[in-house]
Formats: sequence, C-alpha cells, structure tokens
Amino acid sequence: GQQVMQIPQYQHVQEGEDFTTYCNSSTTLSNIQWYKQRPGGHPVFLIQLVKSGEVKKQKRLTFQFGEAKKNSSLHITATQTTDVGTYFCAGLGIPGTYKYIFGTGTRLKVLA
Amino acid sequence: DGGITQSPKYLFRKEGQNVTLSCEQNLNHDAMYWYRQDPGQGLRLIYYSQIVNDFQKGDIAEGYSVSREKKESFPLTVTSAQKNPTAFYLCASSTRTSPATNEKLFFGSGTQLSVL
Repeated sequence: GQQVMQIPQYQHVQEGEDFTTYCNSSTTLSNIQWYKQRPGGHPVFLIQLVKSGEVKKQKRLTFQFGEAKKNSSLHITATQTTDVGTYFCAGLGIPGTYKYIFGTGTRLKVLA
Repeated sequence: DGGITQSPKYLFRKEGQNVTLSCEQNLNHDAMYWYRQDPGQGLRLIYYSQIVNDFQKGDIAEGYSVSREKKESFPLTVTSAQKNPTAFYLCASSTRTSPATNEKLFFGSGTQLSVL
C-alpha cells in the first residue's frame, strides 16, 4: 500500500540552529499538507502545497513540494523553543477518496 | 465555540471487552476520520466517512468498527478482536470540498486507550 516516510525520526537542535524534515511518498501525491503536534496535543494544520515544485513560506518556515510530487520538505530557520513538537506531512494519494495518509513524523527538540 | 470533541480523554479496557470512543463535531463538516497514533509510527488511518451513513476502511481497520448515523457524530468501537489496542486515538473532520485537494483536517484532542 501507499507509504509516506519522514526523516529524520528525531532531531535535537540548539536554539537558533536551522532544522529540516523530509517527506517521501512511495506514490505520486495530489497534494501535500504539513501539520504540527505539540507535546501532549493534537495535530494542527500548517500549510498545503498542490503544484509541482511549489514553495511556500510562513515566517521562519519554508515548505517545498518536489517536482515529481513524491517528496516534500519543511525547513525552519533559526529555531526557537516554541518550534518544539512533531511535524507530520500528509498526502492525498488517490484523488477523490478524501483518504489522507500521514507520514511517520519528525520529533523536534530545541535546546535553549 | 466550534470544534471537535473527543471523550473520554483516558479510557481503560479489560480483556475481552468492547469500548467505544466518542467523537462529536459542530463544524458542519461532511467528512470524518479516525486515526491511531503509536510512538514512532505517526498517524495511521482506521476508518473514514465522507458522508452520513457511509464509511470506508482505512489501512488498519481490523478489530475496529464505526457508525455514521448523524453528521455530527462518528463513534469508534474498539472490539475484543483488536489485540493491541493501547494507543492514542485521534478523530478529525474536514469540509469535503471539491476537489479533495482543498481539504484540511481539524483534529480533536484525542483519547488515550490503555489495556488493564
């Protein structure tokens, strides 16, 4: 079946360092979404990418969708302690099914 | 306030027992989802429903059952056939826009199920 993997599984960074998580799908995706889950919380929608090669920015966060629409990345510049949490990508593999498949997640810890 | 309410927050199951997790939303969303979260494994889709009285199996439906009799409600039953039910269960909903690529999921606060 369709699989969406993320690397790394865990990442510890010093506050102020950059952070990147990568999302790779076994099949072409119609879109890619990114969610953030704070410790003890639930996932919250961050952004969606739809077009091949699309790049979007939200303040210190940069999101990219690969040309083949099978991979994506989230880059955080100058991390802050508020960035702590697990970041998930999610993709719609089969158009029209409304069946979103989530990646395995990357847990980020920021050391002050 | 509009949102998704999951209850209970913590639930304990005895061996051989069925338990039901509640999920209610007042966002007027058509689609609802159940995900299971295990440490290091991300979110796995159990069941989803695009419309009232209709639902489809996700990737790990065995040992679970759902119903969708009302738009607002999508309860999940963890049956005794589910041998490893300990996990964090998340319910989500979305507006079921067309195309589906315009969806975004809104999550409840989750239920932690543990086996006694």
